Amino acid sequence: DAGITQSPRHKVTETGTPVTLRCHQTENHRYMYWYRQDPGHGLRLIHYSYGVKDTDKGEVSDGYSVSRSKTEDFLLTLESATSSQTSVYFCAIRPRGPGELFFGEGSRLTVL
Amino acid sequence: DQQVKQNSPSLSVQEGRISILNCDYTNSMFDYFLWYKKYPAEGPTFLISISSIKDKNEDGRFTVFLNKSAKHLSLHIVPSQPGDSAVYFCAAKGGSEKLVFGKGTKLTVNP
Repeated sequence: DAGITQSPRHKVTETGTPVTLRCHQTENHRYMYWYRQDPGHGLRLIHYSYGVKDTDKGEVSDGYSVSRSKTEDFLLTLESATSSQTSVYFCAIRPRGPGELFFGEGSRLTVL
Repeated sequence: DQQVKQNSPSLSVQEGRISILNCDYTNSMFDYFLWYKKYPAEGPTFLISISSIKDKNEDGRFTVFLNKSAKHLSLHIVPSQPGDSAVYFCAAKGGSEKLVFGKGTKLTVNP
């Protein structure tokens, strides 16, 4: 079975500080994704990756950057966190068919 | 501009009855549709999918129906069980890997 580890699982930070969330997969799936979930908005795609060093923007990419230097790791960085980025962030991989994503357990970020 | 819409924020049904969750989409380029289920404090899990070349797909108690002319899909759960209580997200994709989700419908199945 596909496995995803997100870290940290919980983080509280202050406005203006940089934050990096890490997503690690135990297999070598090509596609990896970062989504955020907010009340009233559902799940929104931030960025996704289709290979090492290959990434593309999602619908809410402003204020976020990503990097994928190894197949198994996909990093999400908030260069200067804002309160509007308080959210639950989910990483996902695509181990099977089109759109069939396997999600991690989420990282809850609070920006004060 | 919301491309995938779930207009019912919540739905409550009795155990053993049918649950029908609805979803509308606006982008005619979408050709693959999925439903995900999410329990509190967990990541979403894939439930069932349907390609635009089909109008129905069934998996056990779960059936997804697609009406392309109306740009509408629905998820039927028969019979509903208390363990089905969760938030259900409709999702769609076109030619890219970008999966677009609706805002979700919270289903409560009462014993």
